[in-house]
Amino acid sequence: NAGVTQTPKFQVLKTGQSMTLQCAQDMNHEYMSWYRQDPGMGLRLIHYSVGAGITDQGEVPNGYNVSRSTTEDFPLRLLSAAPSQTSVYFCASSATHSRVFYGYTFGSGTRLTVV
Amino acid sequence: KQEVTQIPAALSVPEGENLVLNCSFTDSAIYNLQWFRQDPGKGLTSLLLIQSSQREQTSGRLNASLDKSSGRSTLYIAASQPGDSATYLCAVEPNTGNQFYFGTGTSLTVIP
Repeated sequence: NAGVTQTPKFQVLKTGQSMTLQCAQDMNHEYMSWYRQDPGMGLRLIHYSVGAGITDQGEVPNGYNVSRSTTEDFPLRLLSAAPSQTSVYFCASSATHSRVFYGYTFGSGTRLTVV
Repeated sequence: KQEVTQIPAALSVPEGENLVLNCSFTDSAIYNLQWFRQDPGKGLTSLLLIQSSQREQTSGRLNASLDKSSGRSTLYIAASQPGDSATYLCAVEPNTGNQFYFGTGTSLTVIP
């Protein structure tokens, strides 16, 4: 099935550990992004990419790294996990044309707990 | 920074009622506004996208309107069904681009 695939679905980390959340899409979308969703705060953008080799920071980038070596993949790295990074993480992609987003597609999310 | 507000935070209606969900945003300089649905423990599903030059969009029982000058959008759901129970989020893309700002959502329960 076409769409955005995130792995893992659940993860528990200890403070200070690092890990990578995976995101892959098979729709040839130029734009990919990572959001975190916290209760009462809505979704907030962490990092985004408008194409392979191009990444930029969103609203809450501290503690996270990204890279975009291919159109399909956009992994999110937690460098040294902190309890404040406990959240649900969503990857989203979109085809774009002249700055308009068409069909913003979300993955099913990764629920991360840092203890 | 764009602020997006959705009121009410929760809404409960009997099956068959028509209902309106509200979304307001502080900066009218937007490219587009999108409504999403989120089921518990799931990702977001796009419902309707309204570009800044449009006033409304319709899909089945859903109709979304946009008034940029007043910073408001509404999502109208006709003849609500229990399957409509979910959280509805609106998001705006500002002219500065490349991201959406999301509201915190309205949790809708449709009672059979």
